Amino acid sequence: DVKVTQSSRYLVKRTGEKVFLECVQDMDHENMFWYRQDPGLGLRLIYFSYDVKMKEKGDIPEGYSVSREKKERFSLILESASTNQTSMYLCASSFWGRALGEQFFGPGTRLTVL
Amino acid sequence: AQTVTQSQPEMSVQEAETVTLSCTYDTSESDYYLFWYKQPPSRQMILVIRQEAYKQQNATENRFSVNFQKAAKSFSLKISDSQLGDAAMYFCAYRRRGSGTYKYIFGTGTRLKVLA
Repeated sequence: DVKVTQSSRYLVKRTGEKVFLECVQDMDHENMFWYRQDPGLGLRLIYFSYDVKMKEKGDIPEGYSVSREKKERFSLILESASTNQTSMYLCASSFWGRALGEQFFGPGTRLTVL
Repeated sequence: AQTVTQSQPEMSVQEAETVTLSCTYDTSESDYYLFWYKQPPSRQMILVIRQEAYKQQNATENRFSVNFQKAAKSFSLKISDSQLGDAAMYFCAYRRRGSGTYKYIFGTGTRLKVLA
């Protein structure tokens, strides 16, 4: 059974704190993605990675950074959390090759910044 | 740039009835995937159905089927014999096909309510 796991389901942080969201996949996928999900806005891509230490900006990278030191792990970092980063964060992974094309999602982390 | 539009923020269906969720997209590519994902309340997003653009036949998975109109750039999801467990957010998504890392473009979602 394929799995994408995220370190926390719920997280509450203070403004200005540094926040780490962790994602791990066990499918040997090359591609990994971080999205934020807000009502009425759907899923918006923050960053993605196609290989260890490789990363690309998505549509809304401001205020975020990422780290991929191992193939199975992709971390999202909020350098200085702000209230407008309160959201649901979804991690996903997929194969690099043509096979299937679908993404597999983690359960999400609901982050509240006070 | 590719876009995906879901014009129905919310829909309701009676249990055992049929409902159709709409999705339109815009792309200049000819080879791509289209997906419908389901996100139940407080649960993980899962793939419902996938369509490859080069295939003329509409995809079907049990009670779920699509109406793929490539020229019209339309990709609707039909759910037959709706069940209470079908209540969820449904997202339409697009991805260019081929080897490589391509961004997935998601619509804004349709919340489906199933009435007992």
